Amino acid sequence: QQPVQSPQAVILREGEDAVINCSSSKALYSVHWYRQKHGEAPVFLMILLKGGEQKGHDKISASFNEKKQQSSLYLTASQLSYSGTYFCGTRGNAGNMLTFGGGTRLMVKP
Amino acid sequence: GAVVSQHPSWVICKSGTSVKIECRSLDFQATTMFWYRQFPKQSLMLMATSNEGSKATYEQGVEKDKFLINHASLTLSTLTVTSAHPEDSSFYICSAKTGGNEQFFGPGTRLTVL
Repeated sequence: QQPVQSPQAVILREGEDAVINCSSSKALYSVHWYRQKHGEAPVFLMILLKGGEQKGHDKISASFNEKKQQSSLYLTASQLSYSGTYFCGTRGNAGNMLTFGGGTRLMVKP
Repeated sequence: GAVVSQHPSWVICKSGTSVKIECRSLDFQATTMFWYRQFPKQSLMLMATSNEGSKATYEQGVEKDKFLINHASLTLSTLTVTSAHPEDSSFYICSAKTGGNEQFFGPGTRLTVL
C-alpha cells in the first residue's frame, strides 16, 4: 500500500524551513527519501533504517519513527536548488521493493 | 553514490514497433534491479523487479508479454516494450539496489509512441 505524504505542495521563500511527512499503514523496514526535478530521474537523498534513525546532510535531515510508521524530512534554510518533488519510498519487513508516496512538490522562491 | 545509467535517454517510435531500454550499474554489481514507469506529475509506479539470472517479478496489472525484462548480468537489465502503442508513452526509470539497502535510479528514458 502506498505511503501517504503531506503536504502535497509547499511554497517557501529562500531561507525558510519546511517539513515533509511520510506515513505508512504497514510496518516499515526502511524509508528512503528522493528529490526529483522536472524531467529528471529521482536523486537519492538518504535512507533511514528500522531502529529509529535520524540523519542529515548539509541542511537536510530526516527522522524515522518506527513505532508510528512515520518519517519526516526537514529542510532548513531552504535554497533555490531545493525546489522539486520529494518522494518517500518505503520498504516493508519482507521483500525488496520500494513503494513510493504520491510526492510533495516544493517550490523555493527568491 | 553509486552510478546507474540508462540508454537511450529518449526514443520516439511508431506504433507497433518494439523498443529496448538498457539499464546498467556502472560501479557496482546489482543483483536486483527495478523498473518503474512515471506519468507526468505522478509518482513512480513499480512495473517489475528484475533479479539476475531469474525471471522478473511483475506487479499486478503489468503485462509480462508486453514488457519483456532480461537481467543478463549483475550490471545489466533490459526492458523491451513490444508492439508499443501511444498509451505506452511514458518516462521509464530503472533503479539498482546495492549490497546494502540503498537504491539508486538511472536518469530515465522518455518514450514517445506516435
